[in-house]
Amino acid sequence: DAKTTQPNSMESNEEEPVHLPCNHSTISGTDYIHWYRQLPSQGPEYVIHGLTSNVNNRMASLAIAEDRKSSTLILHRATLRDAAVYYCINTPPNSGYALNFGKGTSLLVTP
Amino acid sequence: DAGVIQSPRHEVTEMGQEVTLRCKPISGHNSLFWYRQTMMRGLELLIYFNNNVPIDDSGMPEDRFSAKMPNASFSTLKIQPSEPRDSAVYFCASRTSGGSSPLHFGNGTRLTVT
Repeated sequence: DAKTTQPNSMESNEEEPVHLPCNHSTISGTDYIHWYRQLPSQGPEYVIHGLTSNVNNRMASLAIAEDRKSSTLILHRATLRDAAVYYCINTPPNSGYALNFGKGTSLLVTP
Repeated sequence: DAGVIQSPRHEVTEMGQEVTLRCKPISGHNSLFWYRQTMMRGLELLIYFNNNVPIDDSGMPEDRFSAKMPNASFSTLKIQPSEPRDSAVYFCASRTSGGSSPLHFGNGTRLTVT
């Protein structure tokens, strides 16, 4: 599966927008881009996914580069509850593939 | 939808004992994944099943670890004998087929081997 690269950590002020980058230069043409986050003492939870077009949902927005080699998860107004580790992974179109998580980005939100 | 259910939530055992972790995936999901998480190594994929069949167990640390999925609604991860370095949080996750389908994680089992 395609390997992703994310910064180890980022910091944001509360109420400010946060842009979390992810590089996936070896992504195949049919791989989806998924984002998950893991709050302290919990299992990872799904945030958003996309293929080619930008996506919005109630939690976040996903901006995908035109060449699909990178993407950015956007939290429009960070809250203290958004402090978590954010993971970006690429998933093949069919089942039966390993879904490997990297180290993710640890987001710190300060009041 | 009860989500992915793991048991027990916490397990404390002595070195050398057998440990069995359990997982009930979401009904209708046909892929199941076992992960282990530690501070040092992050979230590691141990093994995954597709339609109850193990597809790739290359992440299983050694022969002391084994996993089974006897039916679509139940899976176990067994460690025999357990060692202190097995202490970690073990997560089970499931999803339906298709690349757009998200993974749903359980709350994990925190294993402490003394």
